[in-house]
Amino acid sequence: GESVGLHLPTLSVQEGDNSIINCAYSNSASDYFIWYKQESGKGPQFIIDIRSNMDKRQGQRVTVLLNKTVKHLSLQIAATQPGDSAVYFCAEIVSRASGAQKLVFGQGTRLTINP
Amino acid sequence: GAVVSQHPSRVICKSGTSVKIECRSLDFQATTMFWYRQFPKKSLMLMATSNEGSKATYEQGVEKDKFLINHASLTLSTLTVTSAHPEDSSFYICSASLAGLTSTDTQYFGPGTRLTVL
Repeated sequence: GESVGLHLPTLSVQEGDNSIINCAYSNSASDYFIWYKQESGKGPQFIIDIRSNMDKRQGQRVTVLLNKTVKHLSLQIAATQPGDSAVYFCAEIVSRASGAQKLVFGQGTRLTINP
Repeated sequence: GAVVSQHPSRVICKSGTSVKIECRSLDFQATTMFWYRQFPKKSLMLMATSNEGSKATYEQGVEKDKFLINHASLTLSTLTVTSAHPEDSSFYICSASLAGLTSTDTQYFGPGTRLTVL
């Protein structure tokens, strides 16, 4: 089936520490994955993406790792700051039989940065 | 660039009334817009995909007659919740992309609209 799920619904990290948010996906044909950050009462914000021909991609303080063998995705946030507190969603592009594609979101992980 | 707005940000209505939510791409033309629904502490669920000038494609389980979608221009899509009931209370989020949803295109999200049906 098409589903993207999160291993941990909540995660608390001390400010300044690194955090890792995990995600499992089920569609082995998916070739594009995205991490979003959603603050309370707001829409999702794009953080970083990765294509299936890569296993690692780095941005500013964030790194996404993709393990296609076990269909696992992770988001690493370095030197966490209070502003990193939010819900983080992984999402995958799923292709339909018609050829059209849609974005399927995982359950989300609430990250709390403790001062 | 690539800003998507929604109006209103919050709306409270009585049961049985209809509510219209607007989604606008402010600085780009969006060939395709998407409407999502999000319940508290839950993930986003795609409701429908709309392309400018054509009928929306609804996801399985989403009532077309209840959630009317119009994408009359390249910068505006509207979602009308008809005969709203308390169970329709939710956070509705739209997104827009330049050229449909492909592995190379980015989807830009609006800030969401909180609908409360009394």
